[in-house]
Amino acid sequence: QVQLQESGPGLVKPSETLSLTCAVSGYSISSGYYWGWIRQPPGKGLEWIGTIFHSGSTFYNPSLKSRVTISVDTSKNQFSLNLSSVTAADTAVYYCVREFRGAGVPWFDPWGQGTLVTVSS
Amino acid sequence: DIQMTQSPSSLSASVGDRVTITCRTSERISSYLNWYQQKPGKAPKLLIYAASSLQSGVPSRFSGSGSGTDFTLTISSLQPEDFATYYCQQSYSILWTFGQGTKMEIK
Repeated sequence: QVQLQESGPGLVKPSETLSLTCAVSGYSISSGYYWGWIRQPPGKGLEWIGTIFHSGSTFYNPSLKSRVTISVDTSKNQFSLNLSSVTAADTAVYYCVREFRGAGVPWFDPWGQGTLVTVSS
Repeated sequence: DIQMTQSPSSLSASVGDRVTITCRTSERISSYLNWYQQKPGKAPKLLIYAASSLQSGVPSRFSGSGSGTDFTLTISSLQPEDFATYYCQQSYSILWTFGQGTKMEIK
């Protein structure tokens, strides 16, 4: 059973870089699949941030592309999110997900439990 | 971007009711539509993928239908554990996008 667990600072100062890691258990990232990040501001809806293939190919939300980097570390079986120049608008619960693709249709399953990141001085 | 419009935004219903949530997309997306359930303080959970396929372990009272631009999620007989927020999500064009959510509350 694949399980994902986010980790990283819960508080980041404005203009700094938000950095999160997602540890994957129950599956070797190097074997395949796409992996991604989704966020949810408090009381609001879901926003896809970006996706990475196990080989390192990435796809980003154009609204965040200039500030986002997603990377994979197969030796540690984890992938990471860096979001630079953060503002209060980046305050959200950040989820890591596996992007499963069956019969050509992608969906998100499973999800990590989520981690709240607050941007504040 | 493909825009997603869910209706209603909120819904009051009783245990045992049959309820339907609608998701409309701004472009035709074939069957590239997924549904998720989110309970307070928890991560979303996949219910339906590819418009009508039930995820393993999800009760059969949940069903999905639709193709093109109009999709529905139906719960045949609401149970107490079904009161949650539901989101649709398109996976036709990467920039994946979600509907704004439908919050289901107890009447």
